[in-house]
Amino acid sequence: RKEVEQDPGPFNVPEGATVAFNCTYSNSASQSFFWYRQDCRKEPKLLMSVYSSGNEDGRFTAQLNRASQYISLLIRDSKLSDSATYLCVVTPSGAGSYQLTFGKGTKLSVIP
Amino acid sequence: EAQVTQNPRYLITVTGKKLTVTCSQNMNHEYMSWYRQDPGLGLRQIYYSMNVEVTDKGDVPEGYKVSRKEKRNFPLILESPSPNQTSLYFCASSSTLRLSYEQYFGPGTRLTVT
Repeated sequence: RKEVEQDPGPFNVPEGATVAFNCTYSNSASQSFFWYRQDCRKEPKLLMSVYSSGNEDGRFTAQLNRASQYISLLIRDSKLSDSATYLCVVTPSGAGSYQLTFGKGTKLSVIP
Repeated sequence: EAQVTQNPRYLITVTGKKLTVTCSQNMNHEYMSWYRQDPGLGLRQIYYSMNVEVTDKGDVPEGYKVSRKEKRNFPLILESPSPNQTSLYFCASSSTLRLSYEQYFGPGTRLTVT
């Protein structure tokens, strides 16, 4: 089983739509969880951390389900500028917790 | 401006010709790392460094070397590049003194080995 799995998409959605991505991870001892955003041929950038209680940042909501080992990202009122690849990222517990394990990404295209 | 810089940004070279990709960060970060990104394979870690003179292998270290003689610099060395090392390379850094674990990435180096 792969460590971090994501649906590669692409998700093609109209402007204003709500879209959700899920990600599953295999290591139950994983400590920290993130969503990164990567625009085409550019570097990944942190979008948001994911906390057990769930967290929201404007139109973006992230949730973590430790029991089922999945993470979700919800984008409301999609904008054209949201078009990108969204990377699910997990860190192990303990001394290696700076090591990021990346999913392969989910591609989102927001269409006018 | 806080940033991670990489040079060169684009490089075309031939098999066997040694090359170095430089990485520098101005945020006084302890942790630095190199990744390669290939279609269908995602980002994979090559080497990382927890601090000066402390380096360790990532998931795909074969064919690469690194050094960390100064805190700000973490060069990636390909002693004898081969075509299977054609890839997009990213350097990243992070502070180990903060708990956010956010990594800051450089703009990437696109390497082609013919």
